[in-house]
Amino acid sequence: DGGITQSPKYLFRKEGQNVTLSCEQNLNHDAMYWYRQDPGQGLRLIYYSQIVNDFQKGDIAEGYSVSREKKESFPLTVTSAQKNPTAFYLCASSLGLAGDGETQYFGPGTRLLVL
Amino acid sequence: ELKVEQNPLFLSMQEGKNYTIYCNYSTTSDRLYWYRQDPGKSLESLFVLLSNGAVKQEGRLMASLDTKARLSTLHITAAVHDLSATYFCAFWKYSGAGSYQLTFGKGTKLSVIP
Repeated sequence: DGGITQSPKYLFRKEGQNVTLSCEQNLNHDAMYWYRQDPGQGLRLIYYSQIVNDFQKGDIAEGYSVSREKKESFPLTVTSAQKNPTAFYLCASSLGLAGDGETQYFGPGTRLLVL
Repeated sequence: ELKVEQNPLFLSMQEGKNYTIYCNYSTTSDRLYWYRQDPGKSLESLFVLLSNGAVKQEGRLMASLDTKARLSTLHITAAVHDLSATYFCAFWKYSGAGSYQLTFGKGTKLSVIP
């Protein structure tokens, strides 16, 4: 089955700790994205990548980092610099860039909670 | 600043009725998206509207785009309970140098009651 997987489903972070969220897709999509959703809100774009070894900051990149070493993988690290990381994190992919009109496909999400 | 306003934010409607959700945006764009989110779940892409006058339909949902009025609508025909969800509109705007900005509305929570 083709799709997007995210792990873990729930993640707990201690103060000062960096944590990494996994996102894998087997849809052979070039573009991948990370979003953050706070309760009762729409999504906000953290980072996106159009192609391997390239990525762009979104609207709220501060306190986050990403890598795109493989086409199918786009992990997100939430660093200790992100002071309010509690949120629902969604990964998505698309064949081409969504800004060019491509349909995005979303993973099931990771809920990050701060202890 | 890019802004997207959806209204209503909450909508309770009876099965079989018709209704429209409105999405106003603050700047020129011809990349308007509609998404659906079930409670506690991820998002599903519904429609991508790419030009002025674009209309797309899937089942009981129809989306349209008027770029001159900076308005998109999501029309629900003869609502059924399965349509209960939160619906978001969003647009991407090219900001130069290969970069895009993305702005989401706050969502319309739709409850369809028997």
